[in-house]
Amino acid sequence: SQQGEEDPQALSIQEGENATMNCSYKTSINNLQWYRQNSGRGLVHLILIRSNEREKHSGRLRVTLDTSKKSSSLLITASRAADTASYFCATAPIIFSGGYNKLIFGAGTRLAVHP
Amino acid sequence: GAGVSQSPSNKVTEKGKDVELRCDPISGHTALYWYRQRLGQGLEFLIYFQGNSAPDKSGLPSDRFSAERTGESVSTLTIQRTQQEDSAVYLCASSTLLGGRAFNEQFFGPGTRLTVL
Repeated sequence: SQQGEEDPQALSIQEGENATMNCSYKTSINNLQWYRQNSGRGLVHLILIRSNEREKHSGRLRVTLDTSKKSSSLLITASRAADTASYFCATAPIIFSGGYNKLIFGAGTRLAVHP
Repeated sequence: GAGVSQSPSNKVTEKGKDVELRCDPISGHTALYWYRQRLGQGLEFLIYFQGNSAPDKSGLPSDRFSAERTGESVSTLTIQRTQQEDSAVYLCASSTLLGGRAFNEQFFGPGTRLTVL
């Protein structure tokens, strides 16, 4: 089953408004990351928040993490038309056996910001 | 340096033909990943390379799919006897390792859009 699941699936707002996207996951994680994708092509890393962090900021982005609820939110403040894209959360599950772990991506939120 | 590159950017093929997709990761990135993304959907993990070995092939959907990596750099994803359901964007990503764990930021290529007629 999907590890990271975003909601809403689609979000439409006006320029200047704030956009909030949520992500829920199932297993314990090392970190959670948010990525952006334009036009169905390569993803761009936005921000990484570790399991021992509760909030992180980067420019107009604010990410929160609640490990007790296994959820995260991405807030984009003062949105612009150029923020129109799909946003994905990706979780890095904790593994105890050594080796590596991988990012598990959710299905994404499609954000449309109208001028 | 340069980012992750993939080629071709678009590939149209006929059902039953074989295709080969190429990924050039960022120099020095030990970890390399392949994902598949169907239209309007999220990323589906296919395979992971650590150096030239592939400790996790769990995402390959069938034995028609294979991948290799040489020289800890370029990787190729091969799909044999393509089917229409293989149509998707195939994304490659690379990252560094931290303490043997590959949970750092991943850097993505632009993808190859595969269309099987």
